[in-house]
Amino acid sequence: NAGVTQTPKFRVLKTGQSMTLLCAQDMNHEYMYWYRQDPGMGLRLIHYSVGEGTTAKGEVPDGYNVSRLKKQNFLLGLESAAPSQTSVYFCASSSKGTGGKERGYNEQFFGPGTRLTVL
Amino acid sequence: AQSVSQHNHHVILSEAASLELGCNYSYGGTVNLFWYVQYPGQHLQLLLKYFSGDPLVKGIKGFEAEFIKSKFSFNLRKPSVQWSDTAEYFCAVNTGRRALTFGSGTRLQVQP
Repeated sequence: NAGVTQTPKFRVLKTGQSMTLLCAQDMNHEYMYWYRQDPGMGLRLIHYSVGEGTTAKGEVPDGYNVSRLKKQNFLLGLESAAPSQTSVYFCASSSKGTGGKERGYNEQFFGPGTRLTVL
Repeated sequence: AQSVSQHNHHVILSEAASLELGCNYSYGGTVNLFWYVQYPGQHLQLLLKYFSGDPLVKGIKGFEAEFIKSKFSFNLRKPSVQWSDTAEYFCAVNTGRRALTFGSGTRLQVQP
């Protein structure tokens, strides 16, 4: 099992350019998440998905879009990159909670991260 | 909305010293609590978690945490740290289907 993988690992963009970050998981998890990590701020949720074809906004969604066309993949897009989006981006996935409840209680597994610099 | 506070931003210890990292959350309902660790250059890994039951939770690498509901706290402890424990530690809370809410992290530096 590869777990959660992310591509690319590093990227440098110019302001206004677009790009897509790919997250893939091979654990058959229902839930997937995109976070950004900035110094002194921990991880903040950008968008998340509770199943194929569904997405929802997190804490800091502005400037990002996501898609989950396949259960194993969760894409994060930047349509027009800005320097404020310079960050490390982490993808995570988790299974549904146990006991028949749709609660995201279970452990989240994280990918290795993508370091993005916007000039 | 829930929030998580980690008051120690940077901790420096010598090897064999004891460690306690504070974590407080603000949410009045049922919570699930996690501590994640991020070693230099690596991704986040789960140290331990609390869902229910015994409030003293033991995790990997000798770490443990105690859930004190009355204090809304979930502090991380280790009796004797090693140089290899140098990392950033994140407390996180989950209150439902949405994703985890993370604290700002504590950078631990262990000096040999």
